[in-house]
Amino acid sequence: QSALTQPASVSGSPGQSITISCTGTSSDVGSYNLVSWYQQHPGKAPKLMIYEGSKRPSGVSNRFSGSKSGNTASLTISGLQTEDEADYYCCSYAGSTTSVFGGGTKLTVL
Amino acid sequence: QLQLQESGPGLVKPSETLSLTCTVSGGSISSSSYYWDWIRQPPGKGLEWIGNIYYSGTTYYNPSLRSRVTISVDTSKNQFSLKLSSVTAADTAVFYCARHVRPGYGGAFDIWGQGTMVTVSS
Repeated sequence: QSALTQPASVSGSPGQSITISCTGTSSDVGSYNLVSWYQQHPGKAPKLMIYEGSKRPSGVSNRFSGSKSGNTASLTISGLQTEDEADYYCCSYAGSTTSVFGGGTKLTVL
Repeated sequence: QLQLQESGPGLVKPSETLSLTCTVSGGSISSSSYYWDWIRQPPGKGLEWIGNIYYSGTTYYNPSLRSRVTISVDTSKNQFSLKLSSVTAADTAVFYCARHVRPGYGGAFDIWGQGTMVTVSS
């Protein structure tokens, strides 16, 4: 069970869109439509932003969207705002009721 | 609304066993729709899934930690617990408990505790 691969950092200007990728294998991301994304501000617990690849929990802005192609999932944030600056983690079901996280991506809003 | 709260010692000596408890309030741990998970985050690093438990007591663990981890549940107290044995400095981390919606119902960690920092040091 190896960690999913995410870019260490991405950046964008307010109002722009960014995409964070999350690459796994045919044993996790590629096999299940169960990728979730979490936002974590410094010193805070992670917050669920996307589940089942593309669904948003109640209260999460529609500026956040998710997708998947093959073994790679993606999180897109449109209309970047300064409060979006945070760490973002993907997570995938990996079979047998186990989960695996990505290494995390630091988003900087310039 | 449902809340989770971690508790336990903030300092553990090397080679000893780390023990944490997560108390669930505002809802029942005995729901068929959820697992109850432990996740950790070393300082400045990413999240690592440790394992989970169903209210019936069925457990699943991260293969890399399986030999050292035990997760248990006490439905009468609405709590679940983590034991990690033979700890080293590499086990120093913030430990989170989280509610895990079962696959088929969402399959994500939708509610998290605030986290508790555990340092392994003599």
